[in-house]
Amino acid sequence: EPEVTQTPSHQVTQMGQEVILRCVPISNHLYFYWYRQILGQKVEFLVSFYNNEISEKSEIFDDQFSVERPDGSNFTLKIRSTKLEDSAMYFCASRWVTNSPLHFGNGTRLTVT
Amino acid sequence: GNSVTQMEGPVTLSEEAFLTINCTYTATGYPSLFWYVQYPGEGLQLLLKATKADDKGSNKGFEATYRKETTSFHLEKGSVQVSDSAVYFCALNVDNDMRFGAGTRLTVKP
Repeated sequence: EPEVTQTPSHQVTQMGQEVILRCVPISNHLYFYWYRQILGQKVEFLVSFYNNEISEKSEIFDDQFSVERPDGSNFTLKIRSTKLEDSAMYFCASRWVTNSPLHFGNGTRLTVT
Repeated sequence: GNSVTQMEGPVTLSEEAFLTINCTYTATGYPSLFWYVQYPGEGLQLLLKATKADDKGSNKGFEATYRKETTSFHLEKGSVQVSDSAVYFCALNVDNDMRFGAGTRLTVKP
């Protein structure tokens, strides 16, 4: 069964550094998402992406965050200047249409020191 | 707005016990409802879904019925196993808006 893949599985960075989290969604999916989860708790929506543009974003997704689909397969989340509170698990998800289930990757654990 | 409220955990049960995790929702449109499960160190996996009122989703012995009159989608399993230990998330979707509950951690002891 096709799956969403995320790299790296764990990223350690220093405060103030830029990080890029990478995702390869399922190939025929059209809608892409980033969520984050702090300490195994609530799954928080960050951003959704469709037709090469952001369709929705949460208040968490401020100017330090950006997303890009640089080619036909990758979907990236960039944090320009990381803060300690950005430490979390970041999950990428994709789906075919808007009322179908989301398919999640296994996440990237980001640790900001 | 759209939101999901689910039973707070953690929940600890003995093997073969009956499980209920409550979930209620608020939605502006006609939501589809989901239960996702997260095993340690993994992403969220779809457990079951229901797309309209009175639908029953089921998978791996788990069931949930979409109750429009009570705006609920409670998760049940008749006999839990140690391998069911995980975090369970209720979710709703309206158009492109997918919202998750806070998650309920289930631990099943032998």
